[in-house]
Amino acid sequence: DQQVKQNSPSLSVQEGRISILNCDYTNSMFDYFLWYKKYPAEGPTFLISISSIKDKNEDGRFTVFLNKSAKHLSLHIVPSQPGDSAVYFCAATVGSTLGRLYFGRGTQLTVWP
Amino acid sequence: DGGITQSPKYLFRKEGQNVTLSCEQNLNHDAMYWYRQDPGQGLRLIYYSQIVNDFQKGDIAEGYSVSREKKESFPLTVTSAQKNPTAFYLCASSTILAGDTDTQYFGPGTRLTVL
Repeated sequence: DQQVKQNSPSLSVQEGRISILNCDYTNSMFDYFLWYKKYPAEGPTFLISISSIKDKNEDGRFTVFLNKSAKHLSLHIVPSQPGDSAVYFCAATVGSTLGRLYFGRGTQLTVWP
Repeated sequence: DGGITQSPKYLFRKEGQNVTLSCEQNLNHDAMYWYRQDPGQGLRLIYYSQIVNDFQKGDIAEGYSVSREKKESFPLTVTSAQKNPTAFYLCASSTILAGDTDTQYFGPGTRLTVL
């Protein structure tokens, strides 16, 4: 039973435009959310996170928005660059579980020139 | 420099053989994790360990075994009981701070192919 869902397996965006990756979750106990970026044949790298006490967190070109009532979060990349082309995983956790992460299936982002 | 090492990068085994994947970290992290990634799937948790000499099953532990004799090391054995072992295996580690949630850091992964 998938507790974290990324319903779009792929997204294609032109360089310079905004990329919006979406993620939904079902477990209302989740209180911390993370985005990871993964290139082929490599391990995921941490990108950005957000606590449930916030609704927005920004780091350079990357912004994550959290809508707790809708159990939805999104990652915005502005402006998108070809180097952003990768698989993006959304993950969630409950603080009390000490690090146990639940991952979505990922969204393949392709940024074309 | 600090990080997580997984070896080898690629591993081939014959069906019916057990195989052990190595994971070492020098980040002084308490917790370590093993995930499996299949095409079109997310990362599925196999086993995790929050402290030396203790570990818990994840969502897909059947056919796998682990040990945690040292803080730095968390080897994963894929046994012959695992029905579909060909996959990309990822090891991760994180600190465990009271009242906090920390980020997991991943190794480069091992691609296991069972022939």
